[in-house]
Amino acid sequence: GNSVTQMEGPVTLSEEAFLTINCTYTATGYPSLFWYVQYPGEGLQLLLKATKADDKGSNKGFEATYRKETTSFHLEKGSVQVSDSAVYFCALSGGSSASKIIFGSGTRLSIRP
Amino acid sequence: DTAVSQTPKYLVTQMGNDKSIKCEQNLGHDTMYWYKQDSKKFLKIMFSYNNKELIINETVPNRFSPKSPDKAHLNLHINSLELGDSAVYFCASSSGGREEQFFGPGTRLTVL
Repeated sequence: GNSVTQMEGPVTLSEEAFLTINCTYTATGYPSLFWYVQYPGEGLQLLLKATKADDKGSNKGFEATYRKETTSFHLEKGSVQVSDSAVYFCALSGGSSASKIIFGSGTRLSIRP
Repeated sequence: DTAVSQTPKYLVTQMGNDKSIKCEQNLGHDTMYWYKQDSKKFLKIMFSYNNKELIINETVPNRFSPKSPDKAHLNLHINSLELGDSAVYFCASSSGGREEQFFGPGTRLTVL
């Protein structure tokens, strides 16, 4: 079945550092890929998405590229801010899980001022 | 206007009680979901409804019963609450299984 694996946290960085959170997936067919963010005390919200190979999703300075050859969708940001502290979830939908989104286990990110 | 709303936001109750959590969405979506998030932030889907019909029912104890009176509402009733039910429960909606899901703010359930 479909699955998502993302790097375990917590990840702690200093402000303005470069961020990468790794995400790889296993899926049949052609899934859509997502990154969701959950700020403290809130529900998840979509950060960015990509629906086909080589698509790049971007939002709020974050980027992720759908790499079918490496089955990856790594999240990157060039210069993180304290306000980026949150839990980040990689997810996929489609393929054999057409009726639901499969979420990764989440990566907690903390940014030091 | 809140897109996906849940009530209550906090729920503290004793073991053995029965409680309900309500969810409403005003996005016109036809698919709604319930998720359970544990203390380690792991998110597990419990149920999904499409046009008031149950389409996903993961391995959830039958003490949990979802009810969808119409497309805009999906409520969760829990019987005989147990300590292990303590978690944050999220409602979500989407326009289809492959599409972006919109989440509610969550209901933190604490069973004493």
